[in-house]
Amino acid sequence: DAKTTQPNSMESNEEEPVHLPCNHSTISGTDYIHWYRQLPSQGPEYVIHGLTSNVNNRMASLAIAEDRKSSTLILHRATLRDAAVYYCIAFRTSGSARQLTFGSGTQLTVLP
Amino acid sequence: DAGVIQSPRHEVTEMGQEVTLRCKPISGHNSLFWYRQTMMRGLELLIYFNNNVPIDDSGMPEDRFSAKMPNASFSTLKIQPSEPRDSAVYFCASSPGQAGANVLTFGAGSRLTVL
Repeated sequence: DAKTTQPNSMESNEEEPVHLPCNHSTISGTDYIHWYRQLPSQGPEYVIHGLTSNVNNRMASLAIAEDRKSSTLILHRATLRDAAVYYCIAFRTSGSARQLTFGSGTQLTVLP
Repeated sequence: DAGVIQSPRHEVTEMGQEVTLRCKPISGHNSLFWYRQTMMRGLELLIYFNNNVPIDDSGMPEDRFSAKMPNASFSTLKIQPSEPRDSAVYFCASSPGQAGANVLTFGAGSRLTVL
């Protein structure tokens, strides 16, 4: 199973960029790297995902290392509403239940 | 689209009672996932279905837990009998295909408290 490792917590100042790292050294070639975030008292919501190439969407950017053993979620300008737990997961089609389980994520605090 | 709909949002019950949690996935999504979130164990997958068929239930904690998906628009997670350690937030998620290339959309969750 492609286990992921993230820092427990990070802090950022409002309107500054945030780089959230994730290690997935056991990732396989067919694992997609997904990022979700969970705001207080809400269900997780999708942020971004990718396989090999860097990805951009309206919420964030995903930078994937060339060897795919790590990735970084980039929030270009953090706002107070971005304070949440961010989860990085390596999803494989037909993965096992254990492989589809989220880790503990990174608690992002945004300071005004 | 109304998103993934879960009910009830909150349930308080006594130990030994049967609990049924319900989920309506997004129309057209053919994969459905049941997750449980606790402080101790984080967000763990209990079971997932593809085209209404259970694919992997190895995350189901014990025989007291069962899940069904009788059709593409409805799933239930049942706990019988319930115990205090089952207290958690239970999330349902759906996906247009199997996880990987496809992303998951989560419901708002059902918060269960077993006294």
